[in-house]
Amino acid sequence: DQQVKQNSPSLSVQEGRISILNCDYTNSMFDYFLWYKKYPAEGPTFLISISSIKDKNEDGRFTVFLNKSAKHLSLHIVPSQPGDSAVYFCAASRVTGNQFYFGTGTSLTVIP
Amino acid sequence: DAGVTQSPTHLIKTRGQQVTLRCSPKSGHDTVSWYQQALGQGPQFIFQYYEEEERQRGNFPDRFSGHQFPNYSSELNVNALLLGDSALYLCASSLFQREVDTQYFGPGTRLTVL
Repeated sequence: DQQVKQNSPSLSVQEGRISILNCDYTNSMFDYFLWYKKYPAEGPTFLISISSIKDKNEDGRFTVFLNKSAKHLSLHIVPSQPGDSAVYFCAASRVTGNQFYFGTGTSLTVIP
Repeated sequence: DAGVTQSPTHLIKTRGQQVTLRCSPKSGHDTVSWYQQALGQGPQFIFQYYEEEERQRGNFPDRFSGHQFPNYSSELNVNALLLGDSALYLCASSLFQREVDTQYFGPGTRLTVL
């Protein structure tokens, strides 16, 4: 049973434009969410996180939005750069736990 | 500051064999989690070790076992390998706290079962 879902396997965006990656979850007990970026032949790299007490968290070009009522989060990358081309995974956990549940990933391609 | 390291990088085994994968956590971290990432899927949680004990376990059979050493490094053992065990095995480390902490991943070990 997939508790975290990323329904778009791939996304292509022009350099300089906004990239929006989406993630849905089903377990209402999740209250901590993260985004990871993964390049080929490397492990996932932590990008940004958000806890359920917030609805937005920013770090430079990256912003994560959380809509608890819709059980939906999104990652915005502005402006997108060719180096952002990678697979992006969202993950969810309970604050009191350490088991992360991952989505299946979205492959982002930023076209120069 | 050394990040999470894993060995070996690649491994080829045949069905029925046993395999041991190794992980050294990021400096300062005391907790190690193992994940299996099949092709086209996200990482799936196998188990987590802290203070040399298995603290949490995902939905994996007993063929998957682990160990944590006093220096916080960890091993993942898989017995009676099946073709479906072919995957990228990721190790992640963190600092054990009452509340969840960000996990940092190693590059993974690519296991191929023939």
